[in-house]
Amino acid sequence: AQSVTQLGSHVSVSEGALVLLRCNYSSSVPPYLFWYVQYPNQGLQLLLKYTSAATLVKGINGFEAEFKKSETSFHLTKPSAHMSDAAEYFCAVSGLGGGGNKLTFGTGTQLKVEL
Amino acid sequence: DAMVIQNPRYQVTQFGKPVTLSCSQTLNHNVMYWYQQKSSQAPKLLFHYYDKDFNNEADTPDNFQSRRPNTSFCFLDIRSPGLGDAAMYLCATSRLEGRDIQYFGAGTRLSVL
Repeated sequence: AQSVTQLGSHVSVSEGALVLLRCNYSSSVPPYLFWYVQYPNQGLQLLLKYTSAATLVKGINGFEAEFKKSETSFHLTKPSAHMSDAAEYFCAVSGLGGGGNKLTFGTGTQLKVEL
Repeated sequence: DAMVIQNPRYQVTQFGKPVTLSCSQTLNHNVMYWYQQKSSQAPKLLFHYYDKDFNNEADTPDNFQSRRPNTSFCFLDIRSPGLGDAAMYLCATSRLEGRDIQYFGAGTRLSVL
């Protein structure tokens, strides 16, 4: 079985400040981890994907995430927030075995960027 | 240049009146998924196709059906929509199952009156 927990359903930052969105996972097998972004009334767009090749993964729009096995975490960061980053962010896990043929999403974090 | 196209973007139907949502893809991917997303919630997988093989999630109501007549198209049929079925419906595709990146359409927002 696999699951994802996103801490903080709403995060608010000032423009130019660090963005940190938290994700912890549970998986019985080495996981593949994803971050997706969803803008209002749009589908999900892939930000980045962890596949065990490197623990620090760089994605689009200046986002990156670090896989920490000891902490079972895959937090998403961006050094400097921009107004256009305001959106909902979903962490997701995909594994093998039971339920492995599907992506399991967290409940999402709504990011608000203020001037 | 949209790769996963959902039509319509907004659909209004009446309680109990069958409705069909459409998804097409230009990626030639093997797998097509249908998700239901209610307000402020995570997408919930309803079912997926690997080629012509249909895979239903255990908790997907019988009211929801799907058809995939060819590689490019997939349809979601809601036989008798209830008020609780009002949601955003997302279609996604991937080349392979499970660990592959999923590419999402913009979604169809369904309202039930």
